[in-house]
Amino acid sequence: GAVVSQHPSWVICKSGTSVKIECRSLDFQATTMFWYRQFPKQSLMLMATSNEGSKATYEQGVEKDKFLINHASLTLSTLTVTSAHPEDSSFYICSATTQEAGGYTFGSGTRLTVV
Amino acid sequence: KNQVEQSPQSLIILEGKNCTLQCNYTVSPFSNLRWYKQDTGRGPVSLTIMTFSENTKSNGRYTATLDADTKQSSLHITASQLSDSASYICVVRKRGSYIPTFGRGTSLIVHP
Repeated sequence: GAVVSQHPSWVICKSGTSVKIECRSLDFQATTMFWYRQFPKQSLMLMATSNEGSKATYEQGVEKDKFLINHASLTLSTLTVTSAHPEDSSFYICSATTQEAGGYTFGSGTRLTVV
Repeated sequence: KNQVEQSPQSLIILEGKNCTLQCNYTVSPFSNLRWYKQDTGRGPVSLTIMTFSENTKSNGRYTATLDADTKQSSLHITASQLSDSASYICVVRKRGSYIPTFGRGTSLIVHP
C-alpha cells in the first residue's frame, strides 16, 4: 500500500533557528500533500495544502513566511519552520493523496520542541 | 460547525468488550469516508475506506458501516485489546476536492 515517510520523527532546536521536516511518498506519486499541526489531545489542524510545482495554499491564521512549504517533486514536500519559538513546539504531520488513492496516507509525524 | 461530528468524545472500556464509535457528517457531495487510528505521538493509520455504495467493511476486529442516506458511519471494535487504546478519527472527502474534513476524534481507552 501507499507509504509516506516523514523525517525526522523528533527534533529539538534552539529558539530562533529553523527546522526542516521532510515528507516523502515512497511508492506512489503524490500530487497533493497536506501539512497538519496537532496539539496534545486535540485533533489535527490543517496548516496548508501543496500541489507539486505550485505554491502552497495556507489555511487562515497560518503564517506562510514562518512555515515555508516546498513541493518540488511528486514524491517530496518539505515544511520549514523559520525562526522557531517555543510556541511552535507541536506535533507536525504530513499526508499525501493522489487522484487515484481516494484517501489520505499520513506520515508518522514529527515532534518539534523549541527550547 | 464542524461538518464531521464524532461521538463519544472519549470512551473507556474493559479489555475484551466491544464498542461502537459514531461519525455523522454533512459534507456534500460525498466521495468517501475513512476511519483512522492514531496512537499517541504517531501519525494516523487507515483502518477502512468506504465509498457511497458500500454499507459495511471489515478489517480484522474493526467493522465500519456507512449509511449514505442518513450520512452516518460507525466503527465497531470487537473483543477490544489494550493496543486498541488510541484516538479514532473519521475523515470525509468531498467529491471533487482533495481537502479532507476531519472529525475531532474519539479517544478510546481500554483497561485491563
